[in-house]
Amino acid sequence: KNEVEQSPQNLTAQEGEFITINCSYSVGISALHWLQQHPGGGIVSLFMLSSGKKKHGRLIATINIQEKHSSLHITASHPRDSAVYICAVSRGNTDKLIFGTGTRLQVFP
Amino acid sequence: GAVVSQHPSRVICKSGTSVKIECRSLDFQATTMFWYRQFPKQSLMLMATSNEGSKATYEQGVEKDKFLINHASLTLSTLTVTSAHPEDSSFYICSATSYGPGNHYEQYFGPGTRLTVT
Repeated sequence: KNEVEQSPQNLTAQEGEFITINCSYSVGISALHWLQQHPGGGIVSLFMLSSGKKKHGRLIATINIQEKHSSLHITASHPRDSAVYICAVSRGNTDKLIFGTGTRLQVFP
Repeated sequence: GAVVSQHPSRVICKSGTSVKIECRSLDFQATTMFWYRQFPKQSLMLMATSNEGSKATYEQGVEKDKFLINHASLTLSTLTVTSAHPEDSSFYICSATSYGPGNHYEQYFGPGTRLTVT
């Protein structure tokens, strides 16, 4: 069993829909990261969370440390949001990331 | 935000040759740099952790003599794939970490290098 699990693996949506991607982990962490990878391959760090909730534009990330669960929400989705979204966790005092398998999102106009 | 560059972005080489990939932090000094590889439709796999001035720490199963990592300065790390074979064809991504106030760190990713070995 992977230490970081994401669901769903694939997600399609119509433009404007509210999207939720889930991440569960089974290890103790110091922080959880949400990353975005576009078809060209480049990776952008969206959020780093250790508690609570963060918001940036149409993106919201939440984390529940007790339940070892995080969600990434996209409000008013747009075709340009189409990408692979990756959840990753870092442990203790090391910077090393453990990655989930990613969620491939396609938003259609 | 901080920028990490990689060069080249794409490289095609013949089997048996060596290829060097550079990773630079452009506007900050990186405490640590990481090298990852990614196969199609799979997640990133950490290959090694690189700290300036010291030997890289390789993950289990990664051949250190095949994937040579040099971290010459706080802004540059290089990955050399020696005697490349077609199975080394992959997408290689580096990342760099920078510590801010309160020992809070951020990890910034490079755009990746697509290596094709023919």
